[in-house]
Amino acid sequence: QPVLTQPPSSSASPGESARLTCTLPSDINVGSYNIYWYQQKPGSPPRYLLYYYSDSDKGQGSGVPSRFSGSKDASANTGILLISGLQSEDEADYYCMIWPSNASGVFGGGTKLTVL
Amino acid sequence: QLQLQESGPGLVKPSETLSLTCTVSGGSISSSSYYWGWIRQPPGKGLEWIGSIYYSGSTYYNPSLKSRVTISVDTSKNQFSLKLSSVTAADTAVYYCARLVFVVVVAATPYYFDYWGQGTLVTVSS
Repeated sequence: QPVLTQPPSSSASPGESARLTCTLPSDINVGSYNIYWYQQKPGSPPRYLLYYYSDSDKGQGSGVPSRFSGSKDASANTGILLISGLQSEDEADYYCMIWPSNASGVFGGGTKLTVL
Repeated sequence: QLQLQESGPGLVKPSETLSLTCTVSGGSISSSSYYWGWIRQPPGKGLEWIGSIYYSGSTYYNPSLKSRVTISVDTSKNQFSLKLSSVTAADTAVYYCARLVFVVVVAATPYYFDYWGQGTLVTVSS
């Protein structure tokens, strides 16, 4: 199973933007995969936010605000979750996920986002 | 509104088999549009996909757990179940069941987990 690398922590102030990254191993091309993002608050199950493949192939979870968006940085082999107009309620753990094959899935280690 | 509820023992002894059931309400587990999955989260750690099952019984397992995992489905009860054998303390975790959306491209392509149970903590200890 590939290892998806996420920074353990990130922080930003209310109203600012937070850019959370999910780096794939070098033998897997980020351009070939949907990147899925989940949000988890303490004591709750994860919540699906969105997926991103390309600007023409992406999807938002039900009820997820448009200030949550996805992108990729091909040069860094990285998937990105951008949260604009940060709010205190965005403080949570965020996990990326891919399906390296149709038969197997893997989550990143998660990033704890603190809203200062 | 779809709901999923995990149930099973909260304490399992080392070397024994962990058994959990997920009961689905507000929708049919026999829907052709979804798989069903198990995900776990050790205390203070990240998420790990365990495996997924279709209502027909077709299964996919995490390669790192495959030798110890069995997922089954009972459509008459609208339930699916997880068995994890030869457990150790490393299997202590919150276990979640969830619905998996998939899309048929050339083959059934898994997408995302859209509905989750609240999770159940299973502790492995003597």
